[in-house]
Amino acid sequence: AQSVTQLGSHVSVSEGALVLLRCNYSSSVPPYLFWYVQYPNQGLQLLLKYTSAATLVKGINGFEAEFKKSETSFHLTKPSAHMSDAAEYFCAVSVTGYSTLTFGKGTMLLVSP
Amino acid sequence: NAGVTQTPKFQVLKTGQSMTLQCAQDMNHEYMSWYRQDPGMGLRLIHYSVGAGITDQGEVPNGYNVSRSTTEDFPLRLLSAAPSQTSVYFCASSPEAGGINEQFFGPGTRLTVL
Repeated sequence: AQSVTQLGSHVSVSEGALVLLRCNYSSSVPPYLFWYVQYPNQGLQLLLKYTSAATLVKGINGFEAEFKKSETSFHLTKPSAHMSDAAEYFCAVSVTGYSTLTFGKGTMLLVSP
Repeated sequence: NAGVTQTPKFQVLKTGQSMTLQCAQDMNHEYMSWYRQDPGMGLRLIHYSVGAGITDQGEVPNGYNVSRSTTEDFPLRLLSAAPSQTSVYFCASSPEAGGINEQFFGPGTRLTVL
């Protein structure tokens, strides 16, 4: 079975600072990895996904993530935070074939002026 | 395209009452699922369906029933509500199960059980 660990339930940054949200996965077979974002009182929407085509994945709103097999990581980054980035971010994993999506516990990103 | 719709948006129940949370999608997706979201717990899978007439249990199925008579609809039934079922419930769909498929989420139903 696969699993995901997100380090830090809350991350605080200043506007304009680097955003780094950490995700480590566990899977016995090659994984597919996802980052979803949830704005207050809304459902989740996809930011980006890793499907083995390229290790550096670019998503919406300037976010990107790098798949590192040796570190079993898929950390999410953005060079410069905006106030509008304040939201909860979820890392998730699935595998090939008939498989459900397993989510991490989420990281709340707080952006201060 | 409405995407994934959920009704109601808010609901308050008394312990022991039953109710059905509705979920519908208009994207002709085969795979549909129900999650509950609790603070600090992320999203946990309750039940899922890989097509009409086929359902299976997820991580936290106790106290919930589902059925899938059509491709479009996937209702979640609470048989006898308990305070532990106070949560935000999300329905999601994707073209197929697993793999590279993105899941599309509804706006959620916030349920309080007194």
